[in-house]
Formats: sequence, structure tokens, C-alpha cells
Amino acid sequence: SQQGEEDPQALSIQEGENATMNCSYKTSINNLQWYRQNSGRGLVHLILIRSNEREKHSGRLRVTLDTSKKSSSLLITASRAADTASYFCATDENAGKSTFGDGTTLTVKP
Amino acid sequence: GAVVSQHPSRVICKSGTSVKIECRSLDFQATTMFWYRQFPKQSLMLMATSNEGSKATYEQGVEKDKFLINHASLTLSTLTVTSAHPEDSSFYICSARGQLFEAFFGQGTRLTVV
Repeated sequence: SQQGEEDPQALSIQEGENATMNCSYKTSINNLQWYRQNSGRGLVHLILIRSNEREKHSGRLRVTLDTSKKSSSLLITASRAADTASYFCATDENAGKSTFGDGTTLTVKP
Repeated sequence: GAVVSQHPSRVICKSGTSVKIECRSLDFQATTMFWYRQFPKQSLMLMATSNEGSKATYEQGVEKDKFLINHASLTLSTLTVTSAHPEDSSFYICSARGQLFEAFFGQGTRLTVV
């Protein structure tokens, strides 16, 4: 199965609510990155968290990493309709080679 | 962060023709570049790893004669889809690895073969 697996596969919330997505992986990693992809578009890099970091913030985004559980979470606070997209985690376990999960499709209703 | 430029962003070609996609690292040297493919509503799958000055390493199931990769310089890798067919229609994304072993992604190329 995939190295990175996101959970849930789909998430639908109201504007203003928080959205939490989780990612689990199997092997040791150097870092983990979260990306956003709008339908039919390219990847937008959100946050990179290194294996020796536990939490990172960027604006309304908060990422945690638990290497003992091999899991990461992405929290989007005060969501907006523009946050509607697919979100992927990607693990860098081999010098830049990234393995992607299946993604979480987030729908934020106005 | 570092910038990786991918060109073209969209291309439509006729069945049987070849299409070249470029991936450039604009502000850093990339000894290694990676090519991914994404089918609709699916995740990104690694196709091949491209090292500057050497042959690319292809993932299992990826036809190297179909997807030609050239990494002639530290800032440019190209993917050529040869004799394209409708089933090759997909989203192709490259990434480039910098000195700090972190990978940066291009914006992707939407290929449609008609």
C-alpha cells in the first residue's frame, strides 16, 4: 500500500470551521511535506516539517509530526471556500524521492 | 523556497506524435529530478528518477522507450512522451532535489492526446 495514507479520504465542512487531515506512513523519513492541489491544477507546497520537528505553523495551517507513530496531521483553521482542494502528504525518505498518499478531498461550503 | 518551472502547463497533441516536457530549476542546481504521473482523482506516482549526466532510473511498469528522460544539465530535465496515445493523457509533474536534499515541485503539465 502507499507509503503515505491520508485520512479521511473526503471531508466536507462549513466555512469558518476547522479541518483536520491525517497522514500515516511506514518507513523512516527525512521530512514530510503537505501539498494542496486544486482540481486539474498543479501542486502548491504548504509546509515542510523535518523529522526532528514536532509542530509547525504557517498562517492558518498547523502541522504536527509524530515519528513514533509515523503520522502527521494538517489542521486548517477558520476554513474558507477557497480552501476547497485535495490535500496530499508526501514523505521524503530517500534523498528527495517523494511518496505521495492518496489525498484528502476537502470541500468547504460557503 | 526554491523555484521549479515546468513547461508547457498544458499541451494537446495528436495520437502518434511525441511531446516534450521541460523541468527547470531556476535558482538552484538539481543533481536529481523526479518525474511523476497523476491520473484523474488519483495520487501522484513516481515514474522515474533522473540524474544529471546519467541514464534515468525507471520505476517498475514504466516503459523507458515510451517515456524518454534526458537530464543534460544541472538545471534542466526533459520528459518526452513518444508516439503518444490517448491512454497517455495525464498530469505529469516533475520535482528537483536541491543541495539540502529537499524536493521542490513544478506546476505540472496537463497532456491530452486526441
